[in-house]
Formats: sequence, structure tokens, C-alpha cells
Amino acid sequence: QKEVEQNSGPLSVPEGAIASLNCTYSDRGSQSFFWYRQYSGKSPELIMSIYSNGDKEDGRFTAQLNKASQYVSLLIRDSQPSDSATYLCAVNGPHTGGFKTIFGAGTRLFVKA
Amino acid sequence: GAVVSQHPSWVICKSGTSVKIECRSLDFQATTMFWYRQFPKQSLMLMATSNEGSKATYEQGVEKDKFLINHASLTLSTLTVTSAHPEDSSFYICSHRKPNTGELFFGEGSRLTVL
Repeated sequence: QKEVEQNSGPLSVPEGAIASLNCTYSDRGSQSFFWYRQYSGKSPELIMSIYSNGDKEDGRFTAQLNKASQYVSLLIRDSQPSDSATYLCAVNGPHTGGFKTIFGAGTRLFVKA
Repeated sequence: GAVVSQHPSWVICKSGTSVKIECRSLDFQATTMFWYRQFPKQSLMLMATSNEGSKATYEQGVEKDKFLINHASLTLSTLTVTSAHPEDSSFYICSHRKPNTGELFFGEGSRLTVL
């Protein structure tokens, strides 16, 4: 079982719709959860971080965390063509000597104009 | 603006040569920096953790003699790919972690092509 699993997609949504991206993780000791956006040929950039159960909103983005279900999601409201990218779910968990960030394989999102 | 600067962005080299990639932390003194590698259509894989003033910690399966990491100052870490081969062609990305948050901030990445 992969440590962080995401549907690879592609996920295609029309402009203005809500895009829903999902992620599950295997280590119950995981403490911090992140969503990164990566445009083709570029390095990842942080979009959201979430540390406790529930929802966290930042502009058009909402991250949702359910530790009991080991599930993290990202909602993008009013999707724009510029949101087309690969979205990486990342989880920080205990690791020898500290903690380690594990990335999922990413979900490719296409927003159609 | 960018908080991690990486150089060069692109490098093409001949098989058997060595390539050095520099990574600078611009916003704080980073005792720890991270080096990732990403092959096409795959996710980020942590190669090693660079520790200022001490040896790097390498992930399982990463050859420490091939991927030399030096973290001589609190703002600079370097990755040298020694005796590069075509299978080393990849996107190499460095990052640092914002204190107390776990958030990673990445450099621009270096795309290495070995002919």
C-alpha cells in the first residue's frame, strides 16, 4: 500500500465549476497535511496546509481533513483555466530522527474554458 | 518572491562528467535542506536531507558516492551528480522547511539531461 494515494486523473472540469481532489494516507501518526500545485515543467508551490480535523478555507481553496478516515481533500471553487496543473498531496509523519514529508503521485486537473 | 533559489535551471552534459547544482535559502538560515528528484509523470522522491556542518542523510537506494551533497553554510547546499549517465537525467529540486509548520518551499528546479 502506498503511503499517500491520489487518483492520478486527469480530472476535467468546466470553468466555474468546483474541482474536488482527494487523498488518503496510511500512517495514522501523520501530523501535518499539505496541498501543492505543480505546473508542467515547474517546481511545486504550496497552496494549503492543514493540521486539525475539519475545513480550512483560503480564497477559492478549501482543504478538508478527516484523521479518523485518514483522508484529505482539496476543493477549488470557481475553477479557472489557470488552475490546470498537477496537485500533490503531502503528509508529514514520524520518521527516524524527526519527521518526513511524503508526497502522493499527484492528480492532474484540467479546467476547460 | 522566491525564498529558495536554485541554479542552474537547465544543464546538458556528456555522460561521465559531473554536474553541480546550487540551492540557496533566501529568507532564513536553513540548517536543513532537502533534495528531491522527479522523473517525468512521477511524483517527488526525496533523495537526501542536507545538514549544515555535517553529513547528509540519504534515502534508501540513493548512492551517496554518486550524489554528493555539501551544506557548508546556513544558506547554501549543493548537489553534485558525479559521473553522470543518461539514467540520471531528471528534474532535481531542492527545498527548505519553514520552521514550526512543516511547509516546504522549493527552488525553481534544475533539469538535467545527460547525453
